[in-house]
Amino acid sequence: GAVVSQHPSRVICKSGTSVKIECRSLDFQATTMFWYRQFPKKSLMLMATSNEGSKATYEQGVEKDKFLINHASLTLSTLTVTSAHPEDSSFYICSAREGGRGFTYEQYFGPGTRLTVT
Amino acid sequence: AQTVTQSQPEMSVQEAETVTLSCTYDTSESDYYLFWYKQPPSRQMILVIRQEAYKQQNATENRFSVNFQKAAKSFSLKISDSQLGDAAMYFCANEQGGSEKLVFGKGTKLTVNP
Repeated sequence: GAVVSQHPSRVICKSGTSVKIECRSLDFQATTMFWYRQFPKKSLMLMATSNEGSKATYEQGVEKDKFLINHASLTLSTLTVTSAHPEDSSFYICSAREGGRGFTYEQYFGPGTRLTVT
Repeated sequence: AQTVTQSQPEMSVQEAETVTLSCTYDTSESDYYLFWYKQPPSRQMILVIRQEAYKQQNATENRFSVNFQKAAKSFSLKISDSQLGDAAMYFCANEQGGSEKLVFGKGTKLTVNP
């Protein structure tokens, strides 16, 4: 089955620093990757959509300069939270969608990254 | 705008019994997809079942089945023979054909009592 990994699974950083989260599709090529944010006991909120080799498309209300997304290859997308503040503490989840021959509309989700900003 | 509504924040069921989780959605598109995802305490999102809007037949995956009422924009999930491992948050989601974006409902927390 399609597997998506995220690294790190947990990260604690100091306020004002930046942190990078990686999302990898391990056994398929992901033409599109998605980044979600999930607050405790809440639903998933789509932050942005990234396509390999092009700029990410951010949802309304998401600060593109704060949440930098790079989809450098068909198997890797990164989310960098810049100048992190305590209110950025959350659970970040990525998903990847396979493109090309035989693709379905299924998004494969990573296990998530717990970010805590102190 | 797309919206997905799950009106049951919490549900409980006895082991081996059947439970139905409700979901309604609003879309102006004729081509779209509907999903139920399960999120156990590990937080890993797991696809439970998928329904293409153009298909009249309700999707079924083992103990999981849906009741898709397109005119009513309703997409409920039925879990038969509930097991302890079914305990999780369940999210209903809608994707408009071609947009690739998933819109999630607020979720229903399912508890399975032994």
